[in-house]
Amino acid sequence: EPEVTQTPSHQVTQMGQEVILRCVPISNHLYFYWYRQILGQKVEFLVSFYNNEISEKSEIFDDQFSVERPDGSNFTLKIRSTKLEDSAMYFCASMGLAGLETQYFGPGTRLLVL
Amino acid sequence: ILNVEQSPQSLHVQEGDSTNFTCSFPSSNFYALHWYRWETAKSPEALFVMTLNGDEKKKGRISATLNTKEGYSYLYIKGSQPEDSATYLCALTNRDDKIIFGKGTRLHILP
Repeated sequence: EPEVTQTPSHQVTQMGQEVILRCVPISNHLYFYWYRQILGQKVEFLVSFYNNEISEKSEIFDDQFSVERPDGSNFTLKIRSTKLEDSAMYFCASMGLAGLETQYFGPGTRLLVL
Repeated sequence: ILNVEQSPQSLHVQEGDSTNFTCSFPSSNFYALHWYRWETAKSPEALFVMTLNGDEKKKGRISATLNTKEGYSYLYIKGSQPEDSATYLCALTNRDDKIIFGKGTRLHILP
């Protein structure tokens, strides 16, 4: 069964450093998402991406965040200058042609900012 | 502020018993309601997506109903098994394409 993959599984970084989280969505999917979950809190929507542009973003997704799909397969989330409060589990998800299908989640990247 | 509420927060059920829990959401601007099953150390697994008032979906022993007019969905598990132990998340998609998750119901099946 096709699956969403994410790398790395864990990332430790110093405050102020840039991080790039990578996701490979399911190959024929067209809608892509990033979510995060801070330890002990609920899953939060960050951004949705369709047709090579952001379709929706939350208040969390400020100027420090960016997404791109550089090569038609990878979908990346970049945090330019990490803050302590960026420590969280980051999940990528993808969805097929119709907007009403279920999303398939990747296994997540645990980011720890020191 | 859009908020998705799930209750109860945590639930202990004897193996073999049936159970259900609730997801409440604002009914205005509704587009779709998703249920996910999330086991510890794994990623959320999609169970159902529902869009129409009165929708009922079934997957094995798990089923879900949707009432968009009053803003709630129930998830039912029949004859609970140990492998049903997980957190069950519901998420609302509204017409602005925003997705809002509830905090989940953590289900523990007791042997």
